[in-house]
Amino acid sequence: NAGVTQTPKFQVLKTGQSMTLQCAQDMNHEYMSWYRQDPGMGLRLIHYSVGAGITDQGEVPNGYNVSRSTTEDFPLRLLSAAPSQTSVYFCASSYSRGARNSPLHFGNGTRLTVT
Amino acid sequence: AQTVTQSQPEMSVQEAETVTLSCTYDTSESDYYLFWYKQPPSRQMILVIRQEAYKQQNATENRFSVNFQKAAKSFSLKISDSQLGDAAMYFCAYRRTAGGNQFYFGTGTSLTVIP
Repeated sequence: NAGVTQTPKFQVLKTGQSMTLQCAQDMNHEYMSWYRQDPGMGLRLIHYSVGAGITDQGEVPNGYNVSRSTTEDFPLRLLSAAPSQTSVYFCASSYSRGARNSPLHFGNGTRLTVT
Repeated sequence: AQTVTQSQPEMSVQEAETVTLSCTYDTSESDYYLFWYKQPPSRQMILVIRQEAYKQQNATENRFSVNFQKAAKSFSLKISDSQLGDAAMYFCAYRRTAGGNQFYFGTGTSLTVIP
């Protein structure tokens, strides 16, 4: 059971470049989300989804887009990277309906540097 | 958005001793779930313990236990018989049961275990 698979592990971008962080889960979780982790700031919610075709903004959505075409996949797109987006990114998923005490299952994270 | 506050950026404990990490949260909801996660230097996010708000009994998992005070909106983590492997960043998290069932995290407490 792979759990939450997040790629790549590391990425360096130049300002203005675009890229997509991939996230896939094989646990049939309805809920999927993206967080960024910065020193002293904890984990901040970027976007989340409660099912295929449904996405919503979290605490820090600016500069990021998401889509959820299938239950399994939830990619995060940076359209025009900025140095302020240098961070560690985590994808995480959970059961939602009928199992709200279900914890988040995390991917291994992506360290992104924007120069 | 709900806010989760961890007021201790850093804590230290002697090996085999007990340490308590504090967490408070702000919410107007009556039903929710609370979690503690551990993040060792490997960056992996590991579930430590969870608590349902409707349960008065405090959750325990081996050496880990919580002190859940719903009226005070407090959710502290107690680690007994601390071990070197407990050294990590610890995050408190709040899960909504309304809306999108989002998870919100605190800023973390870095725990050092002194041999």
